[in-house]
Amino acid sequence: DARVTQTPRHKVTEMGQEVTMRCQPILGHNTVFWYRQTMMQGLELLAYFRNRAPLDDSGMPKDRFSAEMPDATLATLKIQPSEPRDSAVYFCASGLAGPGYGYTFGSGTRLTVV
Amino acid sequence: GQNIDQPTEMTATEGAIVQINCTYQTSGFNGLFWYQQHAGEAPTFLSYNVLDGLEEKGRFSSFLSRSKGYSYLLLKELQMKDSASYLCAVRPEGDSSYKLIFGSGTRLLVRP
Repeated sequence: DARVTQTPRHKVTEMGQEVTMRCQPILGHNTVFWYRQTMMQGLELLAYFRNRAPLDDSGMPKDRFSAEMPDATLATLKIQPSEPRDSAVYFCASGLAGPGYGYTFGSGTRLTVV
Repeated sequence: GQNIDQPTEMTATEGAIVQINCTYQTSGFNGLFWYQQHAGEAPTFLSYNVLDGLEEKGRFSSFLSRSKGYSYLLLKELQMKDSASYLCAVRPEGDSSYKLIFGSGTRLLVRP
């Protein structure tokens, strides 16, 4: 079974610290998404990539968040500096761009900023 | 803008049928998806509709009316393991972005 792998699964950090979350998409998938999930907001789209190129990151607070895809096997989401309001579950999803294709989600990174 | 509405919570009895509704207002439409998410887990793909009508897949069916901006997920012969959140997601644009915008989800509790 092909999987999207996210690390770490859990992260507790102090306010002001840098946090880096990693995602290994399914081999062959050309589209990668970063979503954030909270009880209040549900699943929010932060950024996404097609063939490693960033297509849209309008959902991210630009001053502290950055997303990159240095190669086809790795996508990263970085928060610097982190704040308590960033506490959420961050999901990576990958898939093929095209009508009818859903996306496969990773298990998520549960981030707690204290 | 994009707006996707679902009921927050529903309760149903094991063995029964439940219908979870979703209404949407988006800039363009290129498909509607339903995902299931158990507590503490990742969303998993359930169904996809792009044309009007009913799509059946085992105990789960999904319906779409594009003119009404409306979809529902129908779960038959409910089992305890169906207790989960059900997320409606719309692919809002007709271009090549293929992004998904999610509703807040409906928490379904199945009781014995």
